[in-house]
Amino acid sequence: GESVGLHLPTLSVQEGDNSIINCAYSNSASDYFIWYKQESGKGPQFIIDIRSNMDKRQGQRVTVLLNKTVKHLSLQIAATQPGDSAVYFCAETSGYSTLTFGKGTMLLVSP
Amino acid sequence: DGGITQSPKYLFRKEGQNVTLSCEQNLNHDAMYWYRQDPGQGLRLIYYSQIVNDFQKGDIAEGYSVSREKKESFPLTVTSAQKNPTAFYLCASSSGRGGYEQYFGPGTRLTVT
Repeated sequence: GESVGLHLPTLSVQEGDNSIINCAYSNSASDYFIWYKQESGKGPQFIIDIRSNMDKRQGQRVTVLLNKTVKHLSLQIAATQPGDSAVYFCAETSGYSTLTFGKGTMLLVSP
Repeated sequence: DGGITQSPKYLFRKEGQNVTLSCEQNLNHDAMYWYRQDPGQGLRLIYYSQIVNDFQKGDIAEGYSVSREKKESFPLTVTSAQKNPTAFYLCASSSGRGGYEQYFGPGTRLTVT
């Protein structure tokens, strides 16, 4: 598969643990944020999004937290499974059209 | 990978040749995008198109060209002017009507030797 994970920050967890992946963004005008998951050799897949008028949003086993004061976004994955192993990207936009992507974090889940 | 297809999965070319990467979507999305991904880096925007017959340069457009003659198709040409073309290329689309979420294709790995 494609080696997109070289030299990325890596988070290693045990199966069943909760995982927290962090992302700092720089544009204070950003008003929409997305988390994507990218498995080796595949395109990114949408996980969850959040708008700037919220500070928390929950999905199935995932929660995104937004702290606009410090421009910080986090993705929490509950009861992490081996299938969650992938590279996770945050993306932001300040309006219609283009997203700006972070460099990504590799999550490794051990059985 | 939703309704976005990219072909081929792997592509090999000799230096100095132009090569065109295919991207097709059946999601009825107005907007389409091309990104480049290198190991250890995030996605960098090459070109995007919000409507047929119109497109804009992204952050790293030099050495690339695109066309948008049909809503469903957004091919990317990597020209011989691109200094370091070997990379993983991703195509995406979005509804473009205030919908920021982008759906990605499976990608094309281009190797130029």
